Amino acid sequence: QKEVEQDPGPLSVPEGAIVSLNCTYSNSAFQYFMWYRQYSRKGPELLMYTYSSGNKEDGRFTAQVDKSSKYISLFIRDSQPSDSATYLCAMEGNRGSTLGRLYFGRGTQLTVWP
Amino acid sequence: GAVVSQHPSRVICKSGTSVKIECRSLDFQATTMFWYRQFPKKSLMLMATSNEGSKATYEQGVEKDKFLINHASLTLSTLTVTSAHPEDSSFYICSAGRQGGNNQPQHFGDGTRLSIL
Repeated sequence: QKEVEQDPGPLSVPEGAIVSLNCTYSNSAFQYFMWYRQYSRKGPELLMYTYSSGNKEDGRFTAQVDKSSKYISLFIRDSQPSDSATYLCAMEGNRGSTLGRLYFGRGTQLTVWP
Repeated sequence: GAVVSQHPSRVICKSGTSVKIECRSLDFQATTMFWYRQFPKKSLMLMATSNEGSKATYEQGVEKDKFLINHASLTLSTLTVTSAHPEDSSFYICSAGRQGGNNQPQHFGDGTRLSIL
């Protein structure tokens, strides 16, 4: 079993839809949770960064972390065609092999059509 | 936000050539930089962790003599793919995190697409 599981999709939604992306993980040492957006032929761009459990909102994006269930989510409201990209979840811990390195999900490919 | 610059963005060269890729943190100091490799429609695979002023730490299965890493300053790390062959063709991406007491997220460069003929 991989440390971080993420459905690769593809996910296709109409413009204006609410998009829900999620990842599960198995290592309880993970404390820091990130979502990156990657456009084709570009490097990942940091979207959201959260520590431990809870919610964080930034514009149309909301990140949720539920450490008890080892489950994280990213919600995109009022999705736009420009949101079409691959979304990668990533995690980092604060001890042992998880310290100082990121563990990535496979990425979910999202297409928002006009 | 933090900016990481990676150069060149695209390289096409003949088999046997050595290729150097640069990764710079433009507005912050980075004690540690990371080098990743990404295959089409796949996630990022960590190759090595580059530490300023010391030897890089390579992941299992990554040939250190093939992928030379130098981190000479707090703003620059380089990856040299030595005697590159077609199987080395890939998308290489670097990342860096700010120095600081609290955990800092990694910021990524825009990647280098390497094609070996």
